[in-house]
Amino acid sequence: KNQVEQSPQSLIILEGKNCTLQCNYTVSPFSNLRWYKQDTGRGPVSLTIMTFSENTKSNGRYTATLDADTKQSSLHITASQLSDSASYICVVTRTNSGGYQKVTFGTGTKLQVIP
Amino acid sequence: GAGVSQSPSNKVTEKGKDVELRCDPISGHTALYWYRQSLGQGLEFLIYFQGNSAPDKSGLPSDRFSAERTGGSVSTLTIQRTQQEDSAVYLCASRGQGHEQYFGPGTRLTVT
Repeated sequence: KNQVEQSPQSLIILEGKNCTLQCNYTVSPFSNLRWYKQDTGRGPVSLTIMTFSENTKSNGRYTATLDADTKQSSLHITASQLSDSASYICVVTRTNSGGYQKVTFGTGTKLQVIP
Repeated sequence: GAGVSQSPSNKVTEKGKDVELRCDPISGHTALYWYRQSLGQGLEFLIYFQGNSAPDKSGLPSDRFSAERTGGSVSTLTIQRTQQEDSAVYLCASRGQGHEQYFGPGTRLTVT
C-alpha cells in the first residue's frame, strides 16, 4: 500500500532553534518527493522538490534530504522564526505507465515556534 | 502571473443542499487536482484531470461528489445532498509540464 508517514505529529521549539521533520514512505514507483508548508487557513506552498537522483535540496533556511534506498526524507529548518509556525506536509508522487501522476500526502507535522 | 484561484472562499450550506465549488487553474496548466482537508486531517485526494484524458475519479468518496473541467480550464466540484461530514476545506491544484502542483487558497465548506 502506498503510504507516507510523518513524524513528529507536532513540535514546539524556541525561536532561533533548529529542527528536523521526518518523512517515511512506501510509495512505489517513486517519481518525486516534495515538502510543502501550509499556514493555517491557506493552501500548501511548495518548499522543495526532489527527484530520485537528488539527495539534498535547499530553499533558504529549509534543507530537505532524500534517501531513496531507505525511502526516507527529512526537512531541516535552521534558525527558526515565528513565521515558520505552520504544518509541513511531505508529498510523494508516482507516475504510472500512462503518464498519470498519483500523489500521496502525509498527514503533516504541525510546527509551533515560540518566542 | 496569477495563481490558482478558488471560489467561494467560504460556503455555509444546510444539510441536504447541493453546492458547487469553482477552481480557476493557472493558465496553460493541463493537470488539475481536487483535494479535501478535514479538520486535523491530511490532504485527501479526490479527483485528477489531465488534458483531454478521462479523469481519475478514484478518490471521490461517494456518488454525491462529481467534478467537471470545461474546455481544459475551469473546474467545478459539485457535492449533492451535502452531509455534515462533507465539512472541510476543498483545495484545488494545477500543474504544468513540470512536477510542481500549485495550490489555490481553498474553499471552506461548512454544512450545518
